[in-house]
Amino acid sequence: ETGVTQSPTHLIKTRGQQVTLRCSSQSGHNTVSWYQQALGQGPQFIFQYYREEENGRGNFPPRFSGLQFPNYSSELNVNALELDDSALYLCASSLDPRTEHNEQFFGPGTRLTVL
Amino acid sequence: AQSVTQLGSHVSVSEGALVLLRCNYSSSVPPYLFWYVQYPNQGLQLLLKYTSAATLVKGINGFEAEFKKSETSFHLTKPSAHMSDAAEYFCAVSTTSGTYKYIFGTGTRLKVLA
Repeated sequence: ETGVTQSPTHLIKTRGQQVTLRCSSQSGHNTVSWYQQALGQGPQFIFQYYREEENGRGNFPPRFSGLQFPNYSSELNVNALELDDSALYLCASSLDPRTEHNEQFFGPGTRLTVL
Repeated sequence: AQSVTQLGSHVSVSEGALVLLRCNYSSSVPPYLFWYVQYPNQGLQLLLKYTSAATLVKGINGFEAEFKKSETSFHLTKPSAHMSDAAEYFCAVSTTSGTYKYIFGTGTRLKVLA
């Protein structure tokens, strides 16, 4: 069974640029959630995708957008990068978003640095 | 709305000593609670979870946590710290309506002294 994978591992961008982060969900999982973890903070929920549709969004501006593909892999896109976007971006996959005790499995994260 | 509070951003213990990391939750309904560990430059690894089956939950690496409704707490303990336990620990609660997502605490960095 393959776990959650993310790419790239590290990324450096400059202010104003755009970035795309990728996530492959665990085999059999149809839901992907994205979290942002700033330095010294706990992860913050960005949004969730279930069967290719957005299934909820946290308090992040529209320049954070996402996609989920038929194979349930997912992308996180961030436009007009700001310095405060520097963080570890975590992807988590799960079986079914319709239950509160459904465990989410996390990938290793992508470290984004904005200069 | 659900939330968690972790008391103590940094905790230091001697090797072999008891580890106690504190987490208090806020929830109007029975919560689902989790403890995760994060090693440097890595993602999150689940230590244990509470889903109302038993109040004392045993996890990996010798950790356990006890759900205390009267105290709204879910503290993480380990009888004897090991050097390899040095990491960041996060308590999280799963929301119980709308989009089921995790709400994390701010984390506790555990340092183990030789």
